[in-house]
Amino acid sequence: GQQLNQSPQSMFIQEGEDVSMNCTSSSIFNTWLWYKQEPGEGPVLLIALYKAGELTSNGRLTAQFGITRKDSFLNISASIPSDVGIYFCAGRRGFGNEKLTFGTGTRLTIIP
Amino acid sequence: DSGVTQTPKHLITATGQRVTLRCSPRSGDLSVYWYQQSLDQGLQFLIQYYNGEERAKGNILERFSAQQFPDLHSELNLSSLELGDSALYFCASSTPLAGGTGELFFGEGSRLTVL
Repeated sequence: GQQLNQSPQSMFIQEGEDVSMNCTSSSIFNTWLWYKQEPGEGPVLLIALYKAGELTSNGRLTAQFGITRKDSFLNISASIPSDVGIYFCAGRRGFGNEKLTFGTGTRLTIIP
Repeated sequence: DSGVTQTPKHLITATGQRVTLRCSPRSGDLSVYWYQQSLDQGLQFLIQYYNGEERAKGNILERFSAQQFPDLHSELNLSSLELGDSALYFCASSTPLAGGTGELFFGEGSRLTVL
């Protein structure tokens, strides 16, 4: 099935560093969501974006809905050990309860 | 705790067998979605139900079927299991909010191992 292109695939960073990842699509999406998944758990919603150009923060996390509506970005500032996990972007073309299409994921590892 | 409950958490079975995975959505949520996640892969959409009716279908195999009951819980049935069906199966639910934001909330998943 179709998935969004997410990069980088993995990141190894030191505690305290900032993190950036992005998600791109060949199609327009009307909603972008960012989820985090930890081992053995289900994805947990971090940030939801509903308008092109929208910039939304959740603590140290900031996400943006690209102007073209074909991409989205997630930044994590001053990373801490509990940020470890896999981050997924997800998009919805329509509105309401239409299914989400997920990105391929970015695995974040923090080096002590 | 997302409020979405999935059972069983772990399941080990043999090829050719049939299993049923169960999902209880968050209170008030009418939509249920099933996703499959194979080892180190992303989430693949299988099927969606809304208030008891099938709403959308993804790459769900013919050997798989699902339904949503009047009490809104859902079951995913996997039959004639093959080794490649080993995966995490997630259920998610969403609230039909005005304006249609419909954020998905996921359960903790059912890990299926086919030997």
